[in-house]
Amino acid sequence: SQQGEEDPQALSIQEGENATMNCSYKTSINNLQWYRQNSGRGLVHLILIRSNEREKHSGRLRVTLDTSKKSSSLLITASRAADTASYFCAPYLFQGAQKLVFGQGTRLTINP
Amino acid sequence: NAGVTQTPKFQVLKTGQSMTLQCAQDMNHEYMSWYRQDPGMGLRLIHYSVGAGITDQGEVPNGYNVSRSTTEDFPLRLLSAAPSQTSVYFCASSYSRVRVAGELFFGEGSRLTVL
Repeated sequence: SQQGEEDPQALSIQEGENATMNCSYKTSINNLQWYRQNSGRGLVHLILIRSNEREKHSGRLRVTLDTSKKSSSLLITASRAADTASYFCAPYLFQGAQKLVFGQGTRLTINP
Repeated sequence: NAGVTQTPKFQVLKTGQSMTLQCAQDMNHEYMSWYRQDPGMGLRLIHYSVGAGITDQGEVPNGYNVSRSTTEDFPLRLLSAAPSQTSVYFCASSYSRVRVAGELFFGEGSRLTVL
C-alpha cells in the first residue's frame, strides 16, 4: 500500500519549541508530500520531496527522506500557535494511475 | 482565482435520497478527485479523474457515481444516501496526471449528514 503512517498520532508542545512528525511507508516511491489541515478546513500542500532528494527546506519547515528506511520526517522550527493543525504525509508511487493516499495524520497542538 | 470550489458546504439528507456534490476548479487542472474524511479514518479516495471523459475508482467507490464532461467540473453523486455516508467530502485537483504527482489543491469541504 502507498499509504503513509504518521507518528505520533498527537503531539502537544509549547510555543517556540520545535515539532517533529514522522511518516513511514511500505513501497518504493516517486515522491512524498506533506499537507496541513486546520480544523474544519481543506488540506493545504506544504512541501514535496522527490525520491532522489534527502532534505528539503521551506521557511520554518524541514523535510527529510530516507528511502532505505522508507521514512520521512517533518520538522517545524520555532512553533507558533497558528501551526496548530493536523499534518498528513502522502507517499506517491505511479502505478498506472495517479492516486494520492493519506493516512490519519498527526494532530499538533501548540500551547501558548 | 477561486481555486477549488465545493457546493454545498452543508447538507442534511434522509436515507434513500439522492444528491450531487458539486466541485469546480478554475486552474485548468487535468486531475481531479474526491475524498471522504471520517474521524479516525483519515482521508479515503472515492473516485478520481485524469481528464475530461476519464474517471476511475478509488478505495471506497461504492454508493457514489462521478462523471467528467468538462475540465472544470467533477460532480459526485450519491445514488441512495445511507447513514454510513455521513462524512466530510473534499474535492481536490492537480496540474499533473502522470508519473510525478503534483501538488493537490483542496476545496473547503462539504459536510454531509444522512439521517
